[in-house]
Amino acid sequence: DSGVTQTPKHLITATGQRVTLRCSPRSGDLSVYWYQQSLDQGLQFLIQYYNGEERAKGNILERFSAQQFPDLHSELNLSSLELGDSALYFCASSSSNSEQFFGPGTRLTVL
Amino acid sequence: AQTVTQSQPEMSVQEAETVTLSCTYDTSESDYYLFWYKQPPSRQMILVIRQEAYKQQNATENRFSVNFQKAAKSFSLKISDSQLGDAAMYFCAYRSYNTGTASKLTFGTGTRLQVTL
Repeated sequence: DSGVTQTPKHLITATGQRVTLRCSPRSGDLSVYWYQQSLDQGLQFLIQYYNGEERAKGNILERFSAQQFPDLHSELNLSSLELGDSALYFCASSSSNSEQFFGPGTRLTVL
Repeated sequence: AQTVTQSQPEMSVQEAETVTLSCTYDTSESDYYLFWYKQPPSRQMILVIRQEAYKQQNATENRFSVNFQKAAKSFSLKISDSQLGDAAMYFCAYRSYNTGTASKLTFGTGTRLQVTL
């Protein structure tokens, strides 16, 4: 158990819908990262937050957004969902300048 | 931008034998971290081993060790005394060192390791 929690574990929804994925980092970790793992794109970095502020952005679509709250949990919002958004979404956390610990992931299926 | 390449989509090893997974990377930076992550069928991403580029000594964690060749930009993972539980997807990952609090991981495409009896 990495100490990072993600909910829900599975999500099935329809095209055009909006979903929210939630992540709670390890106790004391200020950084939260979101990654997408899909069959065709592999593991890709989406976005990072540090202590409530956006710190780095990767290949995140405009339809996707994220935020980190004062209690340090983070949410990834995916809207206008398309079939191609079906993937495993990971959250990871780290303290400054250390390795990242991954949550169990949320498997999103868009029908 | 940094890139990570894993040229072996699949590898197979017999139980108790040794296997080496390859990884090469491209960067213009002199300081960075390299990692190997394991992803078993449960899909959980598990950190196996990490290497700091400024350290000449190769990292070792029990049965797992790396061969880090900085000049060649090569970072291979050796698994000794392979066990059935080692069967998984293995990802090589790169992280810049001097990025302050921005430290994304760049992953390779992975190597699927099979362990046979």
